[in-house]
Amino acid sequence: QTVVTQEPSLTVSPGGTVTLTCGSNTGAVTSGYYPNWFQQKPGQAPRALIYSTTNKHSWTPARFSGSLLGGKAALTLSGVQPEDEADYYCLLYYGGARVFGGGTKLTVL
Amino acid sequence: EVQLVESGGGLVQPGRSLRLSCAASGFTFGDYAMHWVRQAPGKGLEWVSGISWSSGSTGYADSVKGRFTISRDNAKNSLYLQMNSLRTEDTALYYCAKATGYYYDSSGSDFWGQGTLVTVSS
Repeated sequence: QTVVTQEPSLTVSPGGTVTLTCGSNTGAVTSGYYPNWFQQKPGQAPRALIYSTTNKHSWTPARFSGSLLGGKAALTLSGVQPEDEADYYCLLYYGGARVFGGGTKLTVL
Repeated sequence: EVQLVESGGGLVQPGRSLRLSCAASGFTFGDYAMHWVRQAPGKGLEWVSGISWSSGSTGYADSVKGRFTISRDNAKNSLYLQMNSLRTEDTALYYCAKATGYYYDSSGSDFWGQGTLVTVSS
């Protein structure tokens, strides 16, 4: 069974930097997993942030960036704003199917 | 403006069927793959199914394989999800999402609908 792992929760101070990671029980995550990142706030539909590891959508704030880090996909927020408090999900490709991670609850405090 | 509007959700008994629809507008529907994603109450996102731009390839999560069928009608700008043999664990908000490219497996999702709620209960 394919399992995509994310930190359950992280806390960051306003203006700080935080990195969320996305790992796979099948091994190192590479660009071939086409990592995507999504943000979801309470009561709202998810919003796409990053696709294919590093690519931003036109609406993605510049403070969000995607990368590969230590065998995982990573989402880095630099200069965190209070409005960044949300749940963040990664999505990986596995041979014809896609699997979401369990999500990271980011608290800005 | 891209719009995705899901419909067809509701209360259904275990073992019964339901068909979800997603009406798309604001983009050339036939040029993009599409996804269905669900979210159980208070839980995370679960990818359910994807379909390529031409319906030539489809994929399913293991949890729904053999029970759910994704399809699309490019002439009607519509995406569908036929759900059979429904289980209580299928209870969730079902979102349709536009892919960023032709193929669902190598494409992420950029635009999402607001979802339609499916409740499976006796």
